[in-house]
Amino acid sequence: TQLLEQSPQFLSIQEGENLTVYCNSSSVFSSLQWYRQEPGEGPVLLVTVVTGGEVKKLKRLTFQFGDARKDSSLHITAAQPGDTGLYLCAGPSGDNFGNEKLTFGTGTRLTIIP
Amino acid sequence: NAGVMQNPRHLVRRRGQEARLRCSPMKGHSHVYWYRQLPEEGLKFMVYLQKENIIDESGMPKERFSAEFPKEGPSILRIQQVVRGDSAAYFCASSPPGNTIYFGEGSWLTVV
Repeated sequence: TQLLEQSPQFLSIQEGENLTVYCNSSSVFSSLQWYRQEPGEGPVLLVTVVTGGEVKKLKRLTFQFGDARKDSSLHITAAQPGDTGLYLCAGPSGDNFGNEKLTFGTGTRLTIIP
Repeated sequence: NAGVMQNPRHLVRRRGQEARLRCSPMKGHSHVYWYRQLPEEGLKFMVYLQKENIIDESGMPKERFSAEFPKEGPSILRIQQVVRGDSAAYFCASSPPGNTIYFGEGSWLTVV
């Protein structure tokens, strides 16, 4: 069974600070996806990383896929209250499927204090 | 282009009743997935369907749960004889074949 562990589970920081959250596994994933979920809503895809060592930037968010494709990190620069939410990483599981059957991490609940 | 539409958004059922959750995929998407998010837990895969076919139901509880995606109309997740432990958010997602999946806003089931 492929498991994804995210840390920290909860993070509360002041507006303007930088932060990094992590997604780790003992299994190799062909790709990893990061989602943000706000209360009462569904997860929204932020990015997909596919290649070991890959770095992708989305405005103030920087995503990195580990060289061995077992871990990923999300770094946020100058956090803003709008960044508040539950951040989930996910990777494909199962033998014959692509992104359809995803294993999700337990999430990092981020709160940015104005 | 409308996103994945789920209804009802909130549903309250008494123990022993049936719950039916509906999902209309995005236009042009032939694949539908259901995921469940229990309180304080992550999202768990339940079932993957294409039109009139169940492709993978490895995440579905063995009893009381069923899903369908008919030729016409929305996908339905049906939970019979609900129990308190079924209280959760149920998310539907859709995709074109082999492509990124997009999630709906969820249906929140509360069993009282």
